[in-house]
Amino acid sequence: NAGVIQTPRHKVTGKGQEATLWCEPISGHSAVFWYRQTIVQGLEFLTYFRNQAPIDDSGMPKERFSAQMPNQSHSTLKIQSTQPQDSAVYLCASRILGGNYAEQFFGPGTRLTVL
Amino acid sequence: GDSVTQTEGLVTLTKGLPVMLNCTYQTTYSPFLFWYVQHLNEAPKLLLKSSTDNKRTEHQGFYATLHKSSSSFHLQKSSVQLSDSALYFCALSDRQGGRALIFGTGTTVSVSP
Repeated sequence: NAGVIQTPRHKVTGKGQEATLWCEPISGHSAVFWYRQTIVQGLEFLTYFRNQAPIDDSGMPKERFSAQMPNQSHSTLKIQSTQPQDSAVYLCASRILGGNYAEQFFGPGTRLTVL
Repeated sequence: GDSVTQTEGLVTLTKGLPVMLNCTYQTTYSPFLFWYVQHLNEAPKLLLKSSTDNKRTEHQGFYATLHKSSSSFHLQKSSVQLSDSALYFCALSDRQGGRALIFGTGTTVSVSP
């Protein structure tokens, strides 16, 4: 079990460029979550997929941010026209569905730096 | 709205001493509480979880008891080790697990020899 895989581990973009972050959940996990971590704001929820369907995107900034889960093996978070305030560690987590509540397993994160 | 409060931002102590990290929460639904630990440049990992009122849960020497009457889930350890130096997050979800985690601001624990 390789755990949740996130690529790239580090990404540097210039202001105004696009950034796409990838997440591969643990095989068999049908719920996928995206969080953002900064020193100032801590860990913030962004969006949540269940069986590939978007369930809750209440944490996503309304502009420039979008997330997809085209198949059960990966999800992407896209940030258009990146701004310095987007600099953060973006964490993906997955868990199984059904039965007793199961823990969320986190990936190592993608550290995004916007210059 | 739902929230988690961790009052300590930084706790520094010497190896072998006890530690308690505070966690209180506010929610309108039946809560499931978690403690996650994050070592430097690593992913957060689950340390403890509980949805049962007044039942102590333990793992790796750490323990916590969910008290719904006081909306608390404090993390304790009797004797800290150098390897316990890390960032600790308290997190809240619902019992059905249909919601994302709501995290507290985190407490950094720094253990010195």
